[in-house]
Amino acid sequence: DAGITQSPRYKITETGRQVTLMCHQTWSHSYMFWYRQDLGHGLRLIYYSAAADITDKGEVPDGYVVSRSKTENFPLTLESATRSQTSVYFCASSEGFEAFFGQGTRLTVV
Amino acid sequence: TQLLEQSPQFLSIQEGENLTVYCNSSSVFSSLQWYRQEPGEGPVLLVTVVTGGEVKKLKRLTFQFGDARKDSSLHITAAQPGDTGLYLCAGDWGDYKLSFGAGTTVTVRA
Repeated sequence: DAGITQSPRYKITETGRQVTLMCHQTWSHSYMFWYRQDLGHGLRLIYYSAAADITDKGEVPDGYVVSRSKTENFPLTLESATRSQTSVYFCASSEGFEAFFGQGTRLTVV
Repeated sequence: TQLLEQSPQFLSIQEGENLTVYCNSSSVFSSLQWYRQEPGEGPVLLVTVVTGGEVKKLKRLTFQFGDARKDSSLHITAAQPGDTGLYLCAGDWGDYKLSFGAGTTVTVRA
């Protein structure tokens, strides 16, 4: 189906573990983004990518790693998960200033 | 970090009443978007405004962009329970990286 999909929808992991959140879009949009959403903070940009093999930091990049070897995929990796990374993570894509969001991944770090 | 302030944080009204949500920044936007988010879902784009003084209407929703392109408002006429949700404004400063306000939770009581 066309659109943007995230997996998994829910994830529980332990402190110190590495975890990867997946994002796949079928529109061939150039731009892709990762946001986290926390109460009181709204959506904050973690990383973004303007094209395959081009990534850059957003507002809150510490503890996260991204890659974009293919236009359609933009995985987000938490190298060593911490409790402060418990959040809802949203991936988005755009071909301009209008972004389209996935359904989110609710990550709990215990 | 570009700051984008949204008010009020919460709004609870009776069905049939009107409401207005505000979005303000000290910086000039290239464009501004309004999104609506329902529980467990990602934000969904409602409208994009680009030109200072622009007014856009989407059924009972009216969006206004300030003349100086630093502020915006969303007005809902005759609100219905289906309008319940989290309304987010997001600003773009020319680089396609959206910065979001903290959101306004709107509850419309039947």
